[in-house]
Amino acid sequence: DSGVTQTPKHLITATGQRVTLRCSPRSGDLSVYWYQQSLDQGLQFLIQYYNGEERAKGNILERFSAQQFPDLHSELNLSSLELGDSALYFCASSAGQGLGGYTFGSGTRLTVV
Amino acid sequence: QQQVKQSPQSLIVQKGGISIINCAYENTAFDYFPWYQQFPGKGPALLIAIRPDVSEKKEGRFTISFNKSAKQFSLHIMDSQPGDSATYFCAASPVAAGNKLTFGGGTRVLVKP
Repeated sequence: DSGVTQTPKHLITATGQRVTLRCSPRSGDLSVYWYQQSLDQGLQFLIQYYNGEERAKGNILERFSAQQFPDLHSELNLSSLELGDSALYFCASSAGQGLGGYTFGSGTRLTVV
Repeated sequence: QQQVKQSPQSLIVQKGGISIINCAYENTAFDYFPWYQQFPGKGPALLIAIRPDVSEKKEGRFTISFNKSAKQFSLHIMDSQPGDSATYFCAASPVAAGNKLTFGGGTRVLVKP
């Protein structure tokens, strides 16, 4: 157990629907990062939050949004889902914004049918 | 734009052999280079990392070699074991970006007993 908790582990939904993925960071970590992992695109950075504020944005679609709450858990919202959104979505956390490795959760596997 | 290129995509090595994975980067602002190991169904886990002020770092059977002028770095797995069979990702980040990692495409390593 890495200490980063992601729920749900699996999600199957239809095109056009909206889903919410949840992440609880490791105790004491202030930064949360979201990554999308697909077979053809590898690990793609989506967005980072630090202590409730957005700090960096990557290749995140406008249909996707995220937030970090006062208790530091984060949610990634995916709307108007398309077949191509099927992927593994990972959350990672780190203590701050300095150097150091991330700790990844086990991911949420999203399947859009 | 893929800023970190990783090769090979896959490799097979006999138990006891040496696995070598190479990465090249383009962004000269990168100054933190970690390697992650991912087993099926799990999130990536930090294996070893290096800063550009050193040319080599060794932790157990894992060694990172870094060539700043060539903008290349590599992972060597010595005395490869079947338990090392996993996907390995190199990554890079500039400190100024708040530890936002850019990942290579991954290398699937299979160690045959």
